[in-house]
Amino acid sequence: GAGVSQSPSNKVTEKGKDVELRCDPISGHTALYWYRQRLGQGLEFLIYFQGNSAPDKSGLPSDRFSAERTGESVSTLTIQRTQQEDSAVYLCASSLTPAGSGNTIYFGEGSWLTVV
Amino acid sequence: AQSVAQPEDQVNVAEGNPLTVKCTYSVSGNPYLFWYVQYPNRGLQFLLKYITGDNLVKGSYGFEAEFNKSQTSFHLKKPSALVSDSALYFCAVRALSGGSYIPTFGRGTSLIVHP
Repeated sequence: GAGVSQSPSNKVTEKGKDVELRCDPISGHTALYWYRQRLGQGLEFLIYFQGNSAPDKSGLPSDRFSAERTGESVSTLTIQRTQQEDSAVYLCASSLTPAGSGNTIYFGEGSWLTVV
Repeated sequence: AQSVAQPEDQVNVAEGNPLTVKCTYSVSGNPYLFWYVQYPNRGLQFLLKYITGDNLVKGSYGFEAEFNKSQTSFHLKKPSALVSDSALYFCAVRALSGGSYIPTFGRGTSLIVHP
């Protein structure tokens, strides 16, 4: 597609339920990033995929969070046993391979998660 | 480790006046620097970036930024602000070498342009 696509755009879930957030990066972009943005705050890095390399999971806040990526395409971020503190916007971004790390990172519109 | 500081939570400016949104960074190695804008309930949109070359970078919507290596700064500027420029602005850094390819973002600066 023309841009990074994320779904769902909005999700309200009950505390304790699992949620899956999907990201479809720009075609040809081998690098994919997930960030979290809590209300009124900056971006918090979660996880980074680069091609077929092992992902960098150093930003995942707990073992309730996991993410997968199918080849160099779609990624899914899963939050298990959601807590109210998980309420945030989850932003996905993609870029061409960062061998030259000046490549621009393009963001999706985000998935707005509310845990009640 | 790389880091970015946006020292102002909020910048207020009158329409038609010049605006500056400040950003300083810390990296090991040469930096790649980016500015993004976020409108309410939207994702981040790319404005401009510095890779190498001319220290003054021009980007979308009339914005520009000046890379200053000695002051480790990359301030965002616009000669004449518009009310429609009101949004949240994020600075980001990525290291060319000796650092992470994962960009680090600042906390964001809310720009409010008054009519």
